Amino acid sequence: RKEVEQDPGPFNVPEGATVAFNCTYSNSASQSFFWYRQDCRKEPKLLMSVYSSGNEDGRFTAQLNRASQYISLLIRDSKLSDSATYLCVVSPNTGGFKTIFGAGTRLFVKA
Amino acid sequence: DAGVIQSPRHEVTEMGQEVTLRCKPISGHNSLFWYRQTMMRGLELLIYFNNNVPIDDSGMPEDRFSAKMPNASFSTLKIQPSEPRDSAVYFCASSPTGMYLRPGNTIYFGEGSWLTVV
Repeated sequence: RKEVEQDPGPFNVPEGATVAFNCTYSNSASQSFFWYRQDCRKEPKLLMSVYSSGNEDGRFTAQLNRASQYISLLIRDSKLSDSATYLCVVSPNTGGFKTIFGAGTRLFVKA
Repeated sequence: DAGVIQSPRHEVTEMGQEVTLRCKPISGHNSLFWYRQTMMRGLELLIYFNNNVPIDDSGMPEDRFSAKMPNASFSTLKIQPSEPRDSAVYFCASSPTGMYLRPGNTIYFGEGSWLTVV
């Protein structure tokens, strides 16, 4: 089993749609969680951190389920500009484990 | 503020040639990472430096790859000799908090060096 797993997609959605991505992780020592966004032929950039109680940033909502070891990202009212690859990132709180980037989920938002 | 700066942005080289990629991390960050990204394998950590010292190089593919960080503001990743399977995007990244990321202190990537070995 991979340490961090994401559905690769692609997700093809129309503008205005709501879309959700999940990411599962295997290391229970994981402490911090993030979603990064990567545009085509660009570097990954931080989209948002994921807090235990869940958090929103505009149209984006991130949630964490420690018991089931997954994080999610919900995008409401999708825009064409949301088309990108979304990487989940899991970071441990102890030595011996690495920060792991998921392989990413590709999203295409169509007009 | 300047971000992570990488050079060259693009390089095409012939198999067997030496390739040197360069990176200037964000000032004040004590950790530097070299990642490789391909369609098949995603984003892979090659090596991680903390305070200029290599901490984890378990991701370096083989002896053809080497990395140095002679000071806090400069690092190189060298491939010698290069092979076609080394073709990838190589990202340098830096962080103020080391390998263990926290909200508000995460990892910042350079724009990448796009390497093609023919």
